[in-house]
Amino acid sequence: SQQGEEDPQALSIQEGENATMNCSYKTSINNLQWYRQNSGRGLVHLILIRSNEREKHSGRLRVTLDTSKKSSSLLITASRAADTASYFCATEGDSGYSTLTFGKGTMLLVSP
Amino acid sequence: NAGVTQTPKFQVLKTGQSMTLQCAQDMNHEYMSWYRQDPGMGLRLIHYSVGAGITDQGEVPNGYNVSRSTTEDFPLRLLSAAPSQTSVYFCASSPQGGGYGYTFGSGTRLTVV
Repeated sequence: SQQGEEDPQALSIQEGENATMNCSYKTSINNLQWYRQNSGRGLVHLILIRSNEREKHSGRLRVTLDTSKKSSSLLITASRAADTASYFCATEGDSGYSTLTFGKGTMLLVSP
Repeated sequence: NAGVTQTPKFQVLKTGQSMTLQCAQDMNHEYMSWYRQDPGMGLRLIHYSVGAGITDQGEVPNGYNVSRSTTEDFPLRLLSAAPSQTSVYFCASSPQGGGYGYTFGSGTRLTVV
């Protein structure tokens, strides 16, 4: 079953604006990861945040994690047309052999 | 350094045919996984391996077999293809579980008619 659920399902913004995507999950985790998928391509790992971290930055990306609410957000600042893609959150469990469980993704469209 | 290589990129099968989707990685990663991606469903785990000789089932394993005889290769076998297996298949690898991002292949688009 799906672990993460992204919100919104689709987001349309103008270049230069910020984009915020949210992810909720159900069970306890070791870490949460965000991936980007351009149309027809494979997924690319963007950023990983561990369960004992609250915020992490990488370039124009900012990720927050609230384990008490079982939620995370991905902020892309100063969006560019090249950021147009689908974004997925994925959680890695904290027991046994860990595997990634993906949400259904947010489609982001950045218009010039 | 090629990363994760999947072949073929596209395939059309007739119902009942068998085939093997190939996945190879050159990063000496221990973890390898197969996912399928269907519209509106995100990615679902089919099978995974935590090292050579060790495989396990994921969320949707029925109709698929895997083996892991080497660290580099993790083929996915469809024994008797069904239209419900029409999907895009992704192979991914990671150094190990617990705190590493996964590297994905570019995918195999499979259509079963």
